[in-house]
Amino acid sequence: AQSVTQLGSHVSVSEGALVLLRCNYSSSVPPYLFWYVQYPNQGLQLLLKYTSAATLVKGINGFEAEFKKSETSFHLTKPSAHMSDAAEYFCAVSPDNAGNMLTFGGGTRLMVKP
Amino acid sequence: DTGVSQNPRHKITKRGQNVTFRCDPISEHNRLYWYRQTLGQGPEFLTYFQNEAQLEKSRLLSDRFSAERPKGSFSTLEIQRTEQGDSAMYLCASSLAQGMRDGYTFGSGTRLTVV
Repeated sequence: AQSVTQLGSHVSVSEGALVLLRCNYSSSVPPYLFWYVQYPNQGLQLLLKYTSAATLVKGINGFEAEFKKSETSFHLTKPSAHMSDAAEYFCAVSPDNAGNMLTFGGGTRLMVKP
Repeated sequence: DTGVSQNPRHKITKRGQNVTFRCDPISEHNRLYWYRQTLGQGPEFLTYFQNEAQLEKSRLLSDRFSAERPKGSFSTLEIQRTEQGDSAMYLCASSLAQGMRDGYTFGSGTRLTVV
């Protein structure tokens, strides 16, 4: 079975500061990993995905994530936060490439202070 | 193509009533998924279809829930005899049946409130 743990349900940063959102996964097989962003009353938008190619993955809006197998982590970072980054972020894992289902973490709400 | 479309966006119903939601996926996507998201939580898998075949159902999908995708295009999710615990955002997503290379595309969801 797969699981995802997102450390910190709320993260607050100042505008221009580094954003670091943590995600650790548990999977019995090499996983496929995803980060999604959700704005209020909206669906989820894919930020980036790891599908066993490069371990450093670049996504939209300046976000990137690094897959570290030894640490079972897939943390999301952005060098400089913008007010428009304030949203809920979800890490998700799929056990394989079959695309049958995603298991999501509980989410991290990012707040950006001016 | 305007992405994944879900209707209605909001639904308020009295306990015990039946409700039905609709999802129109991206036209070329042959996989369609339903997820449920309660307040402050991540989405939880409910079920998915490949074309018209329902291939997997979560144990979260009680007997009161039924999903269909009759012609392999749009899908409906029906909840019978709604309970207050059914209050949640119901998310639909679609993808190509070629694995996770492209991930899912989610709709904006239907927010159900049972009073």
